[in-house]
Amino acid sequence: RKEVEQDPGPFNVPEGATVAFNCTYSNSASQSFFWYRQDCRKEPKLLMSVYSSGNEDGRFTAQLNRASQYISLLIRDSKLSDSATYLCVVGPRDDKIIFGKGTRLHILP
Amino acid sequence: NAGVTQTPKFQVLKTGQSMTLQCAQDMNHNSMYWYRQDPGMGLRLIYYSASEGTTDKGEVPNGYNVSRLNKREFSLRLESAAPSQTSVYFCASSELQGNWNIQYFGAGTRLSVL
Repeated sequence: RKEVEQDPGPFNVPEGATVAFNCTYSNSASQSFFWYRQDCRKEPKLLMSVYSSGNEDGRFTAQLNRASQYISLLIRDSKLSDSATYLCVVGPRDDKIIFGKGTRLHILP
Repeated sequence: NAGVTQTPKFQVLKTGQSMTLQCAQDMNHNSMYWYRQDPGMGLRLIYYSASEGTTDKGEVPNGYNVSRLNKREFSLRLESAAPSQTSVYFCASSELQGNWNIQYFGAGTRLSVL
């Protein structure tokens, strides 16, 4: 099992819809979880950290399920500007974090 | 705020040539990282430096060397470039706070080796 696994997509979603991604991780000792966003030909940028109780930032909601070892990202009322690749990130392992390969999201007008 | 600055942004090399990718951060972070990103492969860690004066291999170190010149700067050197090293290279820095390691990335260097 890979350390961090994501569905590569692409997810093609109409503008205004709700979309959710999951990410599974293999190391049950993982303590920190993040979602990063990467636009085409740009660097990854932190979207949000994921806390044990779940957390929300505007239209974005992140959840952690330790028992099943997955994290999720929910985007409500999707915008054209949400089109990007979303990277699931898990850590630490030897002071490093592990990046998933990303899920591509296309928001359709 | 500059954050993490990488130079150059683009580079074309011939097989066998050498070059150094430069990275500097102004956030006073202890840890710095070099990644490469290839289509379908995600981000792969090449080398990292947990603090000034230390460096460690990551997942794909072969063909690369690094230098942590000071707290701000972390350079990546290709001694004899190969076509397999054609990639986008990202530098990142972070301040480890307990289990939380939030990394901030530079804009990347797009390298083509012919």
